[in-house]
Amino acid sequence: NAGVTQTPKFQVLKTGQSMTLQCAQDMNHNSMYWYRQDPGMGLRLIYYSASEGTTDKGEVPNGYNVSRLNKREFSLRLESAAPSQTSVYFCASRGGRDIVNTQYFGPGTRLTVL
Amino acid sequence: RKEVEQDPGPFNVPEGATVAFNCTYSNSASQSFFWYRQDCRKEPKLLMSVYSSGNEDGRFTAQLNRASQYISLLIRDSKLSDSATYLCVVILASGGSYIPTFGRGTSLIVHP
Repeated sequence: NAGVTQTPKFQVLKTGQSMTLQCAQDMNHNSMYWYRQDPGMGLRLIYYSASEGTTDKGEVPNGYNVSRLNKREFSLRLESAAPSQTSVYFCASRGGRDIVNTQYFGPGTRLTVL
Repeated sequence: RKEVEQDPGPFNVPEGATVAFNCTYSNSASQSFFWYRQDCRKEPKLLMSVYSSGNEDGRFTAQLNRASQYISLLIRDSKLSDSATYLCVVILASGGSYIPTFGRGTSLIVHP
């Protein structure tokens, strides 16, 4: 199993450009998450999807949109990138309904907005 | 006040030392707790879950104190390879969803 995969690994954008970050998991997990990680700020939740067909805002949703395309895939879109969105983006998935179940993370996408 | 707080460190310790980290959380309704390890520029990986009765995995011991709302991680006989950032995670169940909140992490440097 590949676990959680993310594409691309690196991206450089100009201010105002748009792009979509892709995430897929092959563990048949119900829940998927998008985080950003900035130096000194830890991981902050952008959006999450508790199950296929549902999405909810996290702590820092402004400037982002998400799509839960199917159970496997959860994409994050930046419609008009800003320098403040320069960050490392991690996708994660979590299976089952047991609260003790843990999250598994993808390798991350390093995004720079000029 | 941030929901989950950790001392950012760094904790700089010699090989073989014992080191302990604490993590405090503000929401008493929080229901499950984890420690993750993150190496530089890599994704976080689960280190261990934290149970009310405490749990041990080799050199690592995790404890939960619900009354004082903190979790702890103890590392015995530190190795060079333990150098990393340690993240605590608190899970809150809300409307059928599980919302994880991460601390900012504690940096550990183990030197020869």
